[in-house]
Amino acid sequence: QQQVKQSPQSLIVQKGGISIINCAYENTAFDYFPWYQQFPGKGPALLIAIRPDVSEKKEGRFTISFNKSAKQFSLHIMDSQPGDSATYFCAASGGNQFYFGTGTSLTVIP
Amino acid sequence: DSGVTQTPKHLITATGQRVTLRCSPRSGDLSVYWYQQSLDQGLQFLIQYYNGEERAKGNILERFSAQQFPDLHSELNLSSLELGDSALYFCASSVVGLHNSPLHFGNGTRLTVT
Repeated sequence: QQQVKQSPQSLIVQKGGISIINCAYENTAFDYFPWYQQFPGKGPALLIAIRPDVSEKKEGRFTISFNKSAKQFSLHIMDSQPGDSATYFCAASGGNQFYFGTGTSLTVIP
Repeated sequence: DSGVTQTPKHLITATGQRVTLRCSPRSGDLSVYWYQQSLDQGLQFLIQYYNGEERAKGNILERFSAQQFPDLHSELNLSSLELGDSALYFCASSVVGLHNSPLHFGNGTRLTVT
């Protein structure tokens, strides 16, 4: 059973546009929601994370929006750049384990 | 650079064989996680160790085993390999091993079973 559902599977955005990736979870015990960015040939790298006591967290061009009642959270990449082209994973944790989404392959077209 | 070191980077072996993947966590991190990444499966949690002790177990096959040594490095042993075991294997480490400690991933070992 997939603990965290991520969509879309792939995304193509024009340079300067907004990229939006969505995730949903079921387990209300989850209390830490990180996003990871993975480039080809590399391991996932922590991008930004949020806890459920806030509805939004912004770091530079990256923003997490969190809706606790809907059990959904999303990553927004503003002013998307070709260098943002990568695979993005959402995750949720409420104990020892991290549950990852299936990933979104983002391509930013110049 | 995450500070997590995985060796080897690539491994090609035949079905039925046994391999060992090695991971050195970031300096100061006590917890090590192993993940398997297949094309259509995303990141699948295998097992976690904290300061030498097994802390949590995920979808790890009985043919697979792991351990964390006193110097905190970890090894993942895969035996009786099958074609379906071909994947990227990632090690990640965290400071405490609790859910509020972010994971830092190595660059993985790509295993190809022929």
